[in-house]
Amino acid sequence: ETGVTQSPTHLIKTRGQQVTLRCSSQSGHNTVSWYQQALGQGPQFIFQYYREEENGRGNFPPRFSGLQFPNYSSELNVNALELDDSALYLCASSFQYRGPTDTQYFGPGTRLTVL
Amino acid sequence: DAKTTQPPSMDCAEGRAANLPCNHSTISGNEYVYWYRQIHSQGPQYIIHGLKNNETNEMASLIITEDRKSSTLILPHATLRDTAVYYCIVRDMEYGNKLVFGAGTILRVKS
Repeated sequence: ETGVTQSPTHLIKTRGQQVTLRCSSQSGHNTVSWYQQALGQGPQFIFQYYREEENGRGNFPPRFSGLQFPNYSSELNVNALELDDSALYLCASSFQYRGPTDTQYFGPGTRLTVL
Repeated sequence: DAKTTQPPSMDCAEGRAANLPCNHSTISGNEYVYWYRQIHSQGPQYIIHGLKNNETNEMASLIITEDRKSSTLILPHATLRDTAVYYCIVRDMEYGNKLVFGAGTILRVKS
């Protein structure tokens, strides 16, 4: 069974640039959630994708957008990067069908630094 | 906002049981209690979850009080590799599968 993978591991960008982060979900999972974790804080929910559509969104501006592909992998895109976007970006996959017990499993994260 | 309250930090001797408390006094009837841990700069690792009954797996045990207002995660024989931030999360069903993380408890296992 393949776990959740993310790429790249680390990334350095400058303010105003755009970035794309990638996530491959765990085998058998159909839902991907993205979280942002600033230094010293707990992860904050950005949004979730299920069946290639956004299925819930946290308090993040529209310059944070995403995609989910037919193979359930996902991308997180951030436009017009700001210094405060520097964080660990985490992807979590889960299986959603019915019922509340679909546990989310996290990838190792992508460390984004905005200069 | 997180629906849970946890102590900021705890220490535990290697080989002893680590008991991590969590208060969730506003939990509703269909909300689950989840525990994750995060070792420095890695992704959170799922540990265990439960609704009403006590649960046990290969990693830990989860004890939920009868009124469901609090719970305790038990690591039966803590090792140095269990040093991490432990997050207690009440699953917010209103917003689907979103996990709302608080500050967690920093557990330091010492030899």
